[in-house]
Parts: sequence; C-alpha cells; structure tokens
Amino acid sequence: RKEVEQDPGPFNVPEGATVAFNCTYSNSASQSFFWYRQDCRKEPKLLMSVYSSGNEDGRFTAQLNRASQYISLLIRDSKLSDSATYLCVVNLYTGGFKTIFGAGTRLFVKA
Amino acid sequence: DGGITQSPKYLFRKEGQNVTLSCEQNLNHDAMYWYRQDPGQGLRLIYYSQIVNDFQKGDIAEGYSVSREKKESFPLTVTSAQKNPTAFYLCASSIVAGGYGTEAFFGQGTRLTVV
Repeated sequence: RKEVEQDPGPFNVPEGATVAFNCTYSNSASQSFFWYRQDCRKEPKLLMSVYSSGNEDGRFTAQLNRASQYISLLIRDSKLSDSATYLCVVNLYTGGFKTIFGAGTRLFVKA
Repeated sequence: DGGITQSPKYLFRKEGQNVTLSCEQNLNHDAMYWYRQDPGQGLRLIYYSQIVNDFQKGDIAEGYSVSREKKESFPLTVTSAQKNPTAFYLCASSIVAGGYGTEAFFGQGTRLTVV
C-alpha cells in the first residue's frame, strides 16, 4: 500500500463548480500535512497547510481527520486558473524525518 | 532573494554517462530532498538529508548517489546504473525543528534527457 494515496482523476468540472479532493495516508506517525499545486512542467508550490481544526483560505478549504487518516481539499467557485494537479503531502517522523508526496489529482476547469 | 536554485534547467547526456545535477539553497534549511517525476506521474523520493554529512535512501535510490558536504548544497549524481534516467528532477528543502517538518520549497527542476 502506498504511504499517501490520491484519486488520480482527472476531474473535469465547469467554471463555478465545487470540487473535492481526498487523500489517505497509511502511517499514523504522520505529523504535518499540506496541499500543493503543480502546473504543467513546473515545480510544485504550496497551496495551504492542513490543520487539525480545518482551515480555509478564500475559496479553498482543507480538512484533516486523524482518526481516519484522511485529508481533503475543497475548491468552491472553480476558476479556469484552478486547472492544475493537486498534490497531497505528508511529513512523517519514524526515527528519521521525511516528506512524502501523493501522486496528485488532475483538475480541468472548463468554461 | 532566498530560494532554491537548480541547474541546469535542461540537460542532455549520452547513455552510459554519469551526470550531476546541482541544487543550492540559501534558506538555511536543514533538510533537503531529491524527487523524480515522470510524465503524468507523481513525485518519487530518491534521497533525502536532514543534516550535513548524512543522507538516507528514498523509494527509488538505485542508480543515484548524493552528497551533503555543506548545508546549502545537495548535488545528485545520476549514474550509468540508472536504467531509465530521462525524467524531471526536483530538489526541495524544508526546516526540521523538534522532529517536526515545515512545508517543502522547491527549485524549478532539471529536465534530464538521455539519448
């Protein structure tokens, strides 16, 4: 089983739609969680951190469920510019520290 | 400006040659990472380092080698033993404090093509 799993998509949605991405992680030693955005042929960039209480940044809402080892990202009122790959990222510490990326979910927002 | 610099952006090499990819950061970050990304795929961890003179293998270390002689630098050598080296290589760094890691910051990547 992969340490971080995401639905690869692609998700094809119209402008204005609400879309949700899910991510599960297998290691309970996971400590911190993030969502990254990656545009085609570019490096990933941090979209938002994910906090235990859930957090929101404009149209984006991230949630964490430690009991179920599950992270989500909700995008409201999708824009064409939201088209990208969204990567779920987990930091874990098991005697050593490392950062694990999910394979990403591709989103296409269409007019 | 602080950041991570990878060079070169594009690299072409003949099959069977070793090649070294550069990664330098001036963020004073403790941890550095190398990832490989193939077209349409996610990031796979090659090697990572938390402190100078120490590094650990990731999920796909075979055919690669690294060094961490300075905090700022984490070069990756793609050796001739790597069977399919053509890929997009990404270097990242992050702070590690008290066993917790912050978000990772990435360089712009190096596209390696072996012909």
